[in-house]
Amino acid sequence: DTGVSQDPRHKITKRGQNVTFRCDPISEHNRLYWYRQTLGQGPEFLTYFQNEAQLEKSRLLSDRFSAERPKGSFSTLEIQRTEQGDSAMYLCASSPEAALNYGYTFGSGTRLTVV
Amino acid sequence: AQKVTQAQTEISVVEKEDVTLDCVYETRDTTYYLFWYKQPPSGELVFLIRRNSFDEQNEISGRYSWNFQKSTSSFNFTITASQVVDSAVYFCARGYQLIWGAGTKLIIKP
Repeated sequence: DTGVSQDPRHKITKRGQNVTFRCDPISEHNRLYWYRQTLGQGPEFLTYFQNEAQLEKSRLLSDRFSAERPKGSFSTLEIQRTEQGDSAMYLCASSPEAALNYGYTFGSGTRLTVV
Repeated sequence: AQKVTQAQTEISVVEKEDVTLDCVYETRDTTYYLFWYKQPPSGELVFLIRRNSFDEQNEISGRYSWNFQKSTSSFNFTITASQVVDSAVYFCARGYQLIWGAGTKLIIKP
């Protein structure tokens, strides 16, 4: 297993456009997390899945953001009507259910620039 | 909000010096978890350590050591005999979905 994969690595989009990112977790990990990180800050939790169920979503998350994990494997994060404030690194992480025996494995992230 | 505070924004030391990164957390939970992650210039977050709140033993792993003090809500990280390759941003995090500190940028000069 090569770890957590995220695609694309970089995305530049015009304000108002929709964007979708993909995350492929480690295959035996049933938990998947999305985070957002802006420059000079720690990651900010967005949402997480256990298998295909979205169990928690940050209250800070706008309705323009939606995430899916339809078959409990890969996940997509969509941002509708992007705004300049959405520019950030979007990180995906996965873990086995007993995550807290270890840590989360993070992908390399998708850097979004909204112009 | 139950914050994690890393008061040191940036630390710069000369190689082979010891350096301690501070982390102070807030929580109302009786059981919780604390983590340290490293983010090198390549950007990928790398897990370093997890600590349970009920286990206050300090831990040493090679040149790395962690000092967990529940009484002061601190979970500090020390690198002994620092090396240039230790240069990175280090994050302390708490909890289930992970509440993160803002990170400490560590610069190790040759």
